[in-house]
Amino acid sequence: ETGVTQTPRHLVMGMTNKKSLKCEQHLGHNAMYWYKQSAKKPLELMFVYSLEERVENNSVPSRFSPECPNSSHLFLHLHTLQPEDSALYLCASSQDPVLAGGWGTQYFGPGTRLTVL
Amino acid sequence: GENVEQHPSTLSVQEGDSAVIKCTYSDSASNYFPWYKQELGKGPQLIIDIRSNVGEKKDQRIAVTLNKTAKHFSLHITETQPEDSAVYFCAASIAGSARQLTFGSGTQLTVLP
Repeated sequence: ETGVTQTPRHLVMGMTNKKSLKCEQHLGHNAMYWYKQSAKKPLELMFVYSLEERVENNSVPSRFSPECPNSSHLFLHLHTLQPEDSALYLCASSQDPVLAGGWGTQYFGPGTRLTVL
Repeated sequence: GENVEQHPSTLSVQEGDSAVIKCTYSDSASNYFPWYKQELGKGPQLIIDIRSNVGEKKDQRIAVTLNKTAKHFSLHITETQPEDSAVYFCAASIAGSARQLTFGSGTQLTVLP
């Protein structure tokens, strides 16, 4: 195991539902990330948090709302999703390479497989 | 921004043979190049990384080479085993000044028994 856990592992939701994805890291890292992984496409970075502050938002639609209450937990709140949002959502953590000046090796969780009907 | 291209998209080898996956990057400032392995139903797992101050790094059956002049790096797996079957991703970043890893599109490696 990498020290990054995600729940739930699978989620099926309708377009009008509201749900949340949870990520927890046990590595003592200060940066956390949300990625979207769709078939046949590279991993897409969605959000980056450093010291609980959002530092990057890669043009993600507002129907995705992240939350980082502390350095160990990261949430992704979902509402009014579209079928094309169906994908594997991955959480990762690292030491912030900008703050620490290091390599920022990222460690990933197992992902949440999301299906939007 | 950085762009990483990865080839091939699929690769089948006989057990015991070697496998090579190649990536090219566009930003000459990139200096950190990790490789991840993703098995079915799991998240990507770091298997090896290389930093721009070295040209080659080995870890048992896995090696990575880096050519900064040509802006490409490669993953070499020797004596392949069925458990090496997975999707492999390369990535590039500018350590110390950027948080974003730019990933390649992945290579599905199948090791045939």
